[in-house]
Amino acid sequence: AQTIHQWPVAEIKAVGSPLSLGCTIKGKSSPNLYWYWQATGGTLQQLFYSITVGQVESVVQLNLSASRPKDDQFILSTEKLLLSHSGFYLCAWSTDFYAEQFFGPGTRLTVL
Amino acid sequence: QQKVQQSPESLIVPEGGMASLNCTSSDRNVDYFWWYRQHSGKSPKMLMSIFSNGEKEEGRFTVHLNKASLHTSLHIRDSQPSDSALYLCAASIGNNNRIFFGDGTQLVVKP
Repeated sequence: AQTIHQWPVAEIKAVGSPLSLGCTIKGKSSPNLYWYWQATGGTLQQLFYSITVGQVESVVQLNLSASRPKDDQFILSTEKLLLSHSGFYLCAWSTDFYAEQFFGPGTRLTVL
Repeated sequence: QQKVQQSPESLIVPEGGMASLNCTSSDRNVDYFWWYRQHSGKSPKMLMSIFSNGEKEEGRFTVHLNKASLHTSLHIRDSQPSDSALYLCAASIGNNNRIFFGDGTQLVVKP
């Protein structure tokens, strides 16, 4: 069975500090990977997607970057956090674009 | 303009009743819809997907799609308190690996 793990579970960070969020998928080779962001009470927004190692496409510009260093790993990062980065970050995988997306448990980020 | 609109924003139905949720895209390039359910503080889980005109049923859940009007609807019969959640409609638009979500419908099923 496939499992998806996100880390950390929650973060409280200062404005201007760096951030790195991670996502690992086990039990599935060559998955499509996605990062989403959901502001509190807001709409779920796709941030990035990746269909293969080393290739990441940006969907929304939020002063964030993403990388896929390994087949099963997806990293979201920024060098300088903004207050507007607060929210719920979700990683997801699917076998192909039109298949069901399986979401991880999410990381709740608070920027102060 | 948001590409996916959902209505109503919130819905209260009695236990055992029928819940009907709507979703429309403003973009003619939409080619696929998904319905997800998100319980409070949790991550979304897919309920159903549809891309052909017509109806699809799985258990208590039925999805309709009218491609001409770019409208899909989700119907939950015999609603249970455990169905209380945020229901999200998502659409693929433009065949470019991009997915757009609506703001969701908050469903409350009252015992």
